[in-house]
Amino acid sequence: AIQLTQSPSSLSASVGDRVTITCRASQGISSALAWYQQKPGKVPKLLIYDASNLESGVPSRFSGSGSGTDFTLTISSLQPEDFATYYCQQFNTYPPITFGQGTRLEIK
Amino acid sequence: EVQLVESGGGLVQPGGSLRLSCAASGFTFSIYTMNWVRQAPGKGLEWVSYISSSGSTMYYADSLKGRFTISRDNAKNSLYLQMNSLRAEDTAVYYCARVHSSGGTCFGYWGQGTPVTVSS
Repeated sequence: AIQLTQSPSSLSASVGDRVTITCRASQGISSALAWYQQKPGKVPKLLIYDASNLESGVPSRFSGSGSGTDFTLTISSLQPEDFATYYCQQFNTYPPITFGQGTRLEIK
Repeated sequence: EVQLVESGGGLVQPGGSLRLSCAASGFTFSIYTMNWVRQAPGKGLEWVSYISSSGSTMYYADSLKGRFTISRDNAKNSLYLQMNSLRAEDTAVYYCARVHSSGGTCFGYWGQGTPVTVSS
């Protein structure tokens, strides 16, 4: 099974900061990677699909990049509503479909 | 508007069974792959099962070891998860999720989730 390792596991940042979260796959997955945002008690929300495509309705301050084994999610200027947990997910090779362990983004 | 509404969760004793349902609306259900994803309390997301649009292909997480069965009824726009021999570690919120319109198996739409608690 392909393992996804996110770093950092948690992160403290301030409104207006530029933030980058990394997701590393245990083997190459081309661009078959998605990013989700989940707020406490809420349903996960798709942000980025196919590594770099912004889902409709998602603010342009979110961006994704990478291919192969190394991927990043960048938030260019943090807003108060962005404090949440972020997950990467691969869908290149399955079963199983796998998620990263999550990155908790907290207010500094 | 795409809507996915899960039902069937609840409290069950270890070794018991539950059948989860997911009612879909707002899209042509029969052409989309569907999945179940779960989240244990305070934990991350865990993929559970996949079913192709026709229902002919199903996949499961290894951790389920044959205890769960996914199915669908395209005539009723419904997805199901039969869960048998439930264990405490199956306690989680269970989400049904539709794949994204792009064709990749990422999850563009999620239901609100139904909680399952396995406890005596």
